[in-house]
Amino acid sequence: NAGVTQTPKFQVLKTGQSMTLQCAQDMNHNSMYWYRQDPGMGLRLIYYSASEGTTDKGEVPNGYNVSRLNKREFSLRLESAAPSQTSVYFCASSEALLSEAFFGQGTRLTVV
Amino acid sequence: TQLLEQSPQFLSIQEGENLTVYCNSSSVFSSLQWYRQEPGEGPVLLVTVVTGGEVKKLKRLTFQFGDARKDSSLHITAAQPGDTGLYLCAGDKAGTYKYIFGTGTRLKVLA
Repeated sequence: NAGVTQTPKFQVLKTGQSMTLQCAQDMNHNSMYWYRQDPGMGLRLIYYSASEGTTDKGEVPNGYNVSRLNKREFSLRLESAAPSQTSVYFCASSEALLSEAFFGQGTRLTVV
Repeated sequence: TQLLEQSPQFLSIQEGENLTVYCNSSSVFSSLQWYRQEPGEGPVLLVTVVTGGEVKKLKRLTFQFGDARKDSSLHITAAQPGDTGLYLCAGDKAGTYKYIFGTGTRLKVLA
């Protein structure tokens, strides 16, 4: 029962470096999401994909890009990492927009 | 600006006590969800409420959606150490087709 799998689990980047966070789900869900979680801020939506082939901006998209590679996979790219992007990143998927979301275990990213 | 404010931000209580967590907004939501998140894990859905005034019970947890669909509360009766975690509300503002999360309430129940 893999559910939503995120890689890597931990990452340290230097300012200006780039990286891609990977997310895959095995529940045949149509919708996928990327959130970041910071203390006292709850979860903030970065980007989402309502269905394969579509992506849309969430609350805090600046500094990020996404790719919905296929129905299973949704990646998040940081082109030029900044210390303000230090956070825990969660990927989630749901059968459709507004249905129950299932979350991965998160990626803890530190930008120094 | 956070659309959904939760209070209190932190709560530490003894096993057996009752508590209420609040989720407030000035916006109207079509539906509202409550999640619990344990350390090192992603949030897990507890309940979804969709009708103004709706009350749902999940064992010792009681969830209420405000009549005007702008607020919600979570009441836990006789809290247990297993209730420890971060509680998050999430609402979908009409027409947006996505959930926005609240600021979270971190609960610690001491044995």
